[in-house]
Amino acid sequence: GNSVTQMEGPVTLSEEAFLTINCTYTATGYPSLFWYVQYPGEGLQLLLKATKADDKGSNKGFEATYRKETTSFHLEKGSVQVSDSAVYFCALRGSGGGADGLTFGKGTHLIIQP
Amino acid sequence: DTAVSQTPKYLVTQMGNDKSIKCEQNLGHDTMYWYKQDSKKFLKIMFSYNNKELIINETVPNRFSPKSPDKAHLNLHINSLELGDSAVYFCASSQQGLARNEQFFGPGTRLTVL
Repeated sequence: GNSVTQMEGPVTLSEEAFLTINCTYTATGYPSLFWYVQYPGEGLQLLLKATKADDKGSNKGFEATYRKETTSFHLEKGSVQVSDSAVYFCALRGSGGGADGLTFGKGTHLIIQP
Repeated sequence: DTAVSQTPKYLVTQMGNDKSIKCEQNLGHDTMYWYKQDSKKFLKIMFSYNNKELIINETVPNRFSPKSPDKAHLNLHINSLELGDSAVYFCASSQQGLARNEQFFGPGTRLTVL
């Protein structure tokens, strides 16, 4: 079956530091890959996505590239802000196109200190 | 304006009770989902509904029953609540057919069973 593995936190960084959150996946075929963010007390928001190999998703300064050869979708940001403090989830959706749900990683709690 | 809404936001109840959580989406999507987020923030798919048919039913106890009166609503009914049911439950929706289509999440319902 499908699975997603991401680095577990908490990850604590200082403001303006470089961020990398690793994510690797196991899936058959060509899944779509997503990063969702959950701010404290809120639901999940899509941060970015990539639907085929070598695609780069980007939003709000965050980027992730779909690497099929390494089955990875690492999240990066060049300069983090305190407002980026949240839980980040890597997720995939199978290529079947049916009504299958997302498979999530366990989430990475990011804490940015001023 | 809210795309996916859930009620109630908080639900506190005693063991053994029966409760329901409601979900509505105004995005015109044809597929809706329920996810459970445990105390460690791990998210797992419970159900998905497409065109009023249950598509996925993971290893969820039959005390949980999704009910979809129409394409825009997917309610979650829980019988004989147990302590282990305490969690945050998220509703989501998407348009079936394309794996790249993202899922839109509701704000969550925090269920506490005493």
